[in-house]
Amino acid sequence: SYELTQPPSVSVSPGQTASITCSGDKLGDKYVSWSQQKPGQSPMLIIYQDSNRPSGIPERFSGSNSGNTATLTISGTQDLDEADYYCQVWDTNTPATFGGGTKLTVL
Amino acid sequence: EVQLVESGGGLVQPGESLTLSCAASGFSFESYWVGWVRQAPGKGLEWVANIKQDGAEKYYVDSVRGRFTISRDNAKDSLYLQMNSLRAEDTAVYYCARARGDGHSRYFDNWGQGTLVTVSS
Repeated sequence: SYELTQPPSVSVSPGQTASITCSGDKLGDKYVSWSQQKPGQSPMLIIYQDSNRPSGIPERFSGSNSGNTATLTISGTQDLDEADYYCQVWDTNTPATFGGGTKLTVL
Repeated sequence: EVQLVESGGGLVQPGESLTLSCAASGFSFESYWVGWVRQAPGKGLEWVANIKQDGAEKYYVDSVRGRFTISRDNAKDSLYLQMNSLRAEDTAVYYCARARGDGHSRYFDNWGQGTLVTVSS
């Protein structure tokens, strides 16, 4: 089965840029999506197909994917961005694999 | 507005069965892949099962294959998850989710609020 690896935690100061990585074998050959989950809430899609933002998602969220690593970048991080973030790919053999999740702390 | 509303969760003993339901509204249910994703207490998201628009293709994570059955009723805009031989490790919040995109570019774009399944004696 396909595996995605994320750092358990990332810390960032308000107003700074946060980068959350997601690693997998030849991940750049796949499409990656990212979801945000705040405590007690359902996940919410914030990036799909590597770098596209759904309607209503702020421009400070961006994504990229190349080689073995996909990156979610949050520019000008705000307190309300503190949440868990999950990457996900959809593969023929293992549909809908999720990364382990990264807890973003805004200090 | 897209809405997915799960129901059917509860407390069951190991070895027992439970059926989850998901009522969809606000979109053409029959046109989308849909699936179940679970989250154990304090843990990350784990994909459980997916089903194609017409129900002809179904996929399961290895840990539930043979015990869980995903199904849908497009006439009722509803998704189901029949769970048999439940184990303590199946304890989780179960989310119903809609998928968009094609083939390898597919992704979950809308999620329900979740229903809690607790397996304990």
